[in-house]
Amino acid sequence: GENVEQHPSTLSVQEGDSAVIKCTYSDSASNYFPWYKQELGKRPQLIIDIRSNVGEKKDQRIAVTLNKTAKHFSLHITETQPEDSAVYFCAAQGHTGNQFYFGTGTSLTVIP
Amino acid sequence: GAVVSQHPSWVICKSGTSVKIECRSLDFQATTMFWYRQFPKQSLMLMATSNEGSKATYEQGVEKDKFLINHASLTLSTLTVTSAHPEDSSFYICSADPGQGYEQYFGPGTRLTVT
Repeated sequence: GENVEQHPSTLSVQEGDSAVIKCTYSDSASNYFPWYKQELGKRPQLIIDIRSNVGEKKDQRIAVTLNKTAKHFSLHITETQPEDSAVYFCAAQGHTGNQFYFGTGTSLTVIP
Repeated sequence: GAVVSQHPSWVICKSGTSVKIECRSLDFQATTMFWYRQFPKQSLMLMATSNEGSKATYEQGVEKDKFLINHASLTLSTLTVTSAHPEDSSFYICSADPGQGYEQYFGPGTRLTVT
């Protein structure tokens, strides 16, 4: 199956600063890359996604970039707020059965 | 729209017993559902892909005889943890694929504690 690596595992930023989380994947045939925010004990919530035919996508303070050649994609959060504090997971969709393979997660803390 | 439920939300069982977890798509049909396991402070690990009307496909290292999956209808998949042991204690999450694109919809999860 797909192998997804995610860095950093923990990230602390001051309120208002930007946060960047990076992921790499192994299967060049993967073509869909969602990002999820998960609060403790709850389901993952989709915050943004990108398909392989697009290099960048932005939604207000959140953006995702994809480099298919290098097989890596990144999440960018600008003007961070304390409510952005959570665990963030990247994922890559397998090309054979639409299954998701998740990265190891990044615990983001935004310091007021 | 696109709501997925799980039942129960939490369960405590004794070692050696079996536990069934249900995953339902409430307002759409899902030919494919996925089961994940998440240990504390860890990632979601894909266990198996559940297809309606056919046998589930298990990821490498997941015991199919221990984690029985049944996808009997387009809105229901069940995961049965057989002969549960304390190391099976985890957060089990399902997701449902409506087959309309790329996005999947996650259930709220089931917290299993085996004593």
